[in-house]
Amino acid sequence: EIVMTQSPLSLPVTPGEPASISCRSSQSLLYANGYNYLDWYVQKPGQSPQLLFYLGSKRASGVPDRFSVGGSGTDFTLKISRVEAEDVGIYYCMQAMQTPTFGGGTRVEIK
Amino acid sequence: QLQLQESGPGLVTSSESLSLTCTASGGSISTDNYYWGWVRQSPGKELEWIASIHHSGQTYRNPFHLSLKSRVTMSIDTSKNQFSLNLRSVTAADTAVYYCARHTVYYYAFDVWGQGAAVTVSS
Repeated sequence: EIVMTQSPLSLPVTPGEPASISCRSSQSLLYANGYNYLDWYVQKPGQSPQLLFYLGSKRASGVPDRFSVGGSGTDFTLKISRVEAEDVGIYYCMQAMQTPTFGGGTRVEIK
Repeated sequence: QLQLQESGPGLVTSSESLSLTCTASGGSISTDNYYWGWVRQSPGKELEWIASIHHSGQTYRNPFHLSLKSRVTMSIDTSKNQFSLNLRSVTAADTAVYYCARHTVYYYAFDVWGQGAAVTVSS
């Protein structure tokens, strides 16, 4: 089983400031086709998770440009260029290289 | 726009079976391109993929959670645009919010989720 580790656990951010979330996998997620089999999700308060990015860097429909991703292999990052109040929630990474497993989540909150 | 809605009992007695149904609206589950799955979230714990089913009946279950895999059955009813999860011999460890979700046949990207069904297992 591929283990996904996220950091930090909690991320207090001032509105307008940037935020960065790290995700590490216990095995490489880089597939032979050149894609990283990694997704990012956000679970806003009281809601279901929603897809942000898939196949490493493909943006899901409706995801604002202030969100970006980076990394390859075993180390990945989700960045928010300027945090807005609506970005509050728990962010999860999930590997899709094998049987899907999720990271423990990073809670983004407004200072 | 496709929507998914879970339904089922909110309270199940330990050792009994849990049955949840997901009803799709605004789209058909009979499409070849998608699998229909279940993901659960235990209180304070990570999200966990349970299993997925295709309209053909082909089913994949999480192989790493052996006790879960042996108790899970999925079914699909295309005439009702529904798919279901049956979990036998539940324990308190099965208390969770259960989400139904869609992903493609090519890749596990859950792009449509239900609102979730909270299930408590009581003794």
